[in-house]
Amino acid sequence: KQEVTQIPAALSVPEGENLVLNCSFTDSAIYNLQWFRQDPGKGLTSLLLIQSSQREQTSGRLNASLDKSSGRSTLYIAASQPGDSATYLCALGNDMRFGAGTRLTVKP
Amino acid sequence: GAGVSQSPRYKVAKRGQDVALRCDPISGHVSLFWYQQALGQGPEFLTYFQNEAQLDKSGLPSDRFFAERPEGSVSTLKIQRTQQEDSAVYLCASSQYRGGETQYFGPGTRLLVL
Repeated sequence: KQEVTQIPAALSVPEGENLVLNCSFTDSAIYNLQWFRQDPGKGLTSLLLIQSSQREQTSGRLNASLDKSSGRSTLYIAASQPGDSATYLCALGNDMRFGAGTRLTVKP
Repeated sequence: GAGVSQSPRYKVAKRGQDVALRCDPISGHVSLFWYQQALGQGPEFLTYFQNEAQLDKSGLPSDRFFAERPEGSVSTLKIQRTQQEDSAVYLCASSQYRGGETQYFGPGTRLLVL
């Protein structure tokens, strides 16, 4: 059974800092990996989708990498802003197995 | 364009009551997913439809949970004889063709069973 772990569970940084969120998984035979953000009381918004044949995807200040052999993905956020404050979740494969998320707070 | 919508947004039920949660996916989207999200946790997969066909219901926690999508568009998740452990946010998502693509999520229905 695929296990997905996100570390840290919570992170607080000052505005402007670059940061990395981690997602690890136990079964490297994945179809794809997605990163989402979730604002309080809201649904999930897809940020980046990495297919299993890809190693990274970029969108604006966000960069996600995928290393299947080590069972890891990272989400890099450059020049963080208070509006980036949310919970960030990774999800694996067709059946969308989610981690518990990292709650990010960016302080002005 | 319109995104995924869910209704009701909030539902309070007495233990033992039946509830029905509705999901309107993005028009034309083939795939529809239901998830259950407990407080402080990531969503957990419940079931998946491709058009009107329920291709995977392996995540439904018990036979009290039933989902349908009779015309391949709107879907209803029904929970019979609700119990306190059913309290959670129920999220619906749709994707254009099949699983493995970007999924678009609705705002969720927050269910509280007293």
